[in-house]
Amino acid sequence: GAVVSQHPSWVICKSGTSVKIECRSLDFQATTMFWYRQFPKQSLMLMATSNEGSKATYEQGVEKDKFLINHASLTLSTLTVTSAHPEDSSFYICSARGTGGEAFFGQGTRLTVV
Amino acid sequence: KQEVTQIPAALSVPEGENLVLNCSFTDSAIYNLQWFRQDPGKGLTSLLLIQSSQREQTSGRLNASLDKSSGRSTLYIAASQPGDSATYLCAVTTDSWGKLQFGAGTQVVVTP
Repeated sequence: GAVVSQHPSWVICKSGTSVKIECRSLDFQATTMFWYRQFPKQSLMLMATSNEGSKATYEQGVEKDKFLINHASLTLSTLTVTSAHPEDSSFYICSARGTGGEAFFGQGTRLTVV
Repeated sequence: KQEVTQIPAALSVPEGENLVLNCSFTDSAIYNLQWFRQDPGKGLTSLLLIQSSQREQTSGRLNASLDKSSGRSTLYIAASQPGDSATYLCAVTTDSWGKLQFGAGTQVVVTP
């Protein structure tokens, strides 16, 4: 199957700082990528849809100024958590859709804000 | 609004038994349904993708069925092994962009 690489796999940052997470499709081009958030023992919640060359579409309740998404190329989308606070601590996962409609996910990023 | 439910929430079986995981969805207007596996602290691994026009898909010991009209899918895992222990998630694609709606998952433990 197609490969989606997410980096870093974990990060610890101080409250008030910003953190950038990268999501790359390694062997296919992805015009659309998705960012999800997962709380412990819960399922994935879609945060936003990232479209190459245009603004991201955010789900209701997700602060677009806090979670900045950039999809500058067909193989890279980034999520920046700005002015992070402890309540932003979570597991963030990206996905990209292959040509057959199958969704492929990155390894996830564990963010801890202290 | 599409809602996806997975039953049971947790399942423990001895090695060798067959696993049956259920997924139901409220809106039959889906593009496809996908089953994933998630190990603790890890991302999702795609297991099977069933297009809305298909009835089932098979890969090795895994078989997934789809009954779109009744809003149900079942994942069968034959001859379970301890390595099958993980959380299994089903998700339906709800729009042409590929947006997924997930169930809460079934946590599976296969005991040696």
